[in-house]
Amino acid sequence: ETGVTQTPRHLVMGMTNKKSLKCEQHLGHNAMYWYKQSAKKPLELMFVYSLEERVENNSVPSRFSPECPNSSHLFLHLHTLQPEDSALYLCASSLSSGSELSDTQYFGPGTRLTVL
Amino acid sequence: AQKITQTQPGMFVQEKEAVTLDCTYDTSDPSYGLFWYKQPSSGEMIFLIYQGSYDQQNATEGRYSLNFQKARKSANLVISASQLGDSAMYFCAMREGRNNNDMRFGAGTRLTVKP
Repeated sequence: ETGVTQTPRHLVMGMTNKKSLKCEQHLGHNAMYWYKQSAKKPLELMFVYSLEERVENNSVPSRFSPECPNSSHLFLHLHTLQPEDSALYLCASSLSSGSELSDTQYFGPGTRLTVL
Repeated sequence: AQKITQTQPGMFVQEKEAVTLDCTYDTSDPSYGLFWYKQPSSGEMIFLIYQGSYDQQNATEGRYSLNFQKARKSANLVISASQLGDSAMYFCAMREGRNNNDMRFGAGTRLTVKP
């Protein structure tokens, strides 16, 4: 495996379900990110982790709960979601969490989430 | 406030021709970085090119070049010799020096390359 991988690629869940999205990076990076991409809206940053510590949380509802057990893995735990949470959830990683402006974020293929 | 503006929701280009995708940005920070990403229908965001605010020359990466006009706050992407595989969404993004955890993205431009 190379780059950034995400599983599952597609997920359909009911509003009362609990599910988790998984992201894994094979680039030796120290920072990982969750983004939400909704139809007709710009990409929104949700969470930033640097060396397994959360450094940014952009006022995301508590029904989204991130977890970063090590610098290679990132999870997004979902519970009691709403239909408006349906979107493409993208994971990204970078060498650092922004100490260098040129640090490029590399993205996974995303998880297409549908909440019924 | 919207920091990145991409005014072209959709663009068409003939195969083998060049195309320019527009991006303007808004910041008062003298230190910032600009990125372009390509998103095919598969969903993955693919990094294309980077330009730093202090870079003296326009960035180039293969068929991609960035027309950086600092005074006008524009960072247009130029794709030369378009190929059918270039059909995708293209996003401009900016990271500011004072808040460089946060990368702001534009709304994107959908490019369609016609055979």
